[in-house]
Amino acid sequence: AQTVTQSQPEMSVQEAETVTLSCTYDTSENNYYLFWYKQPPSRQMILVIRQEAYKQQNATENRFSVNFQKAAKSFSLKISDSQLGDTAMYFCAFMKRSPTSGTYKYIFGTGTRLKVLA
Amino acid sequence: DAGVTQSPTHLIKTRGQHVTLRCSPISGHKSVSWYQQVLGQGPQFIFQYYEKEERGRGNFPDRFSARQFPNYSSELNVNALLLGDSALYLCASSREWQTGELFFGEGSRLTVL
Repeated sequence: AQTVTQSQPEMSVQEAETVTLSCTYDTSENNYYLFWYKQPPSRQMILVIRQEAYKQQNATENRFSVNFQKAAKSFSLKISDSQLGDTAMYFCAFMKRSPTSGTYKYIFGTGTRLKVLA
Repeated sequence: DAGVTQSPTHLIKTRGQHVTLRCSPISGHKSVSWYQQVLGQGPQFIFQYYEKEERGRGNFPDRFSARQFPNYSSELNVNALLLGDSALYLCASSREWQTGELFFGEGSRLTVL
């Protein structure tokens, strides 16, 4: 069974600094997707960044980038130039899709609460 | 375009009662999935529906059921409520099952007394 582990329950960072959130996962699959989702205090969760396991290049979205280490099953999120609006819960998620049945399965980690300090 | 909408936003029930939660996906999205998020935890997958058919089920008891309507909206039903069912129930939609990206609603906060 797949598992997703986020070992940092809480983190804080000064505004404009850089912070890295860690995520490890366990799977025997070769083709899958990894995501970071952000859940601000208003609760609506939004996608931050995604990574296809078959791509070696690390995904980047503006100030957000990942360090994807497939062999180590590690998927960390780096936030550069942190902003007050980055304060939120961050969830790492693993997704495996069945090409035949059309189903997919999402597994979320327990989350990291990030606070950006002014 | 409107995002994923869920109703009700908050509700209080007592043990043994039944609850129905509703979700309207983003226009054009054919897949809807449901998640339970207990306080302090990540979302746990309950169901996925695509084109009105159940395409995935998480490890939840038969008290939990769902369906998807021709307009792609969805209902989650929970029977014989237990205290442990208290949680935020999230609905998410996606365009097709291929993309994998989920668009979440704000959730329905269920409190069971």
